[in-house]
Amino acid sequence: GAGVSQSPRYKVTKRGQDVALRCDPISGHVSLYWYRQALGQGPEFLTYFNYEAQQDKSGLPNDRFSAERPEGSISTLTIQRTEQRDSAMYRCASSYRTGDSYNEQFFGPGTRLTVL
Amino acid sequence: GQQLNQSPQSMFIQEGEDVSMNCTSSSIFNTWLWYKQDPGEGPVLLIALYKAGELTSNGRLTAQFGITRKDSFLNISASIPSDVGIYFCAGHTSGTYKYIFGTGTRLKVLA
Repeated sequence: GAGVSQSPRYKVTKRGQDVALRCDPISGHVSLYWYRQALGQGPEFLTYFNYEAQQDKSGLPNDRFSAERPEGSISTLTIQRTEQRDSAMYRCASSYRTGDSYNEQFFGPGTRLTVL
Repeated sequence: GQQLNQSPQSMFIQEGEDVSMNCTSSSIFNTWLWYKQDPGEGPVLLIALYKAGELTSNGRLTAQFGITRKDSFLNISASIPSDVGIYFCAGHTSGTYKYIFGTGTRLKVLA
């Protein structure tokens, strides 16, 4: 079946613009995670959804970052007033069960964000 | 954000050699995970470990959950060119939703 998909794959924007990154998880997956991965680093947790409920947003760097998953499927990560330091790969992952106990996460291909 | 320490950061090895890498944390985890990331792709799970002292194999890969629950090890035997990539460890604590990833070990195999 189809894996996790993300769009756009690449996004170049000017400093100060808002961007919206989309994640389409594997059908039927309850849990959805957003990560940020800087070049040469491992993924860094941003936020977690259980269905439509955002149950952990402790990794969001500041209030310019927000995420939603209104119908418990597709999720959008929004960055307002982008800054150059926001440039990174943004990855989404989904898993079948609720995330407070381990179950395998499947990662998407990511969106490469470049802020000029 | 918090990242786990992995070593070595990178390594070049000859095809056929065995590889060892490790991951350490200042925190205790209930689950340790090892992922491989190929260029342009997202991380793919290799092995999951669920209790201290556990030793688990997946083909040529063997991973161990450290006794202290603060470290984990991954070994690759008889490396082949397709083992090239970045290997990440990750830790998870039950009752939380956050996964903490390591800084990665970049493996290059010389044919």
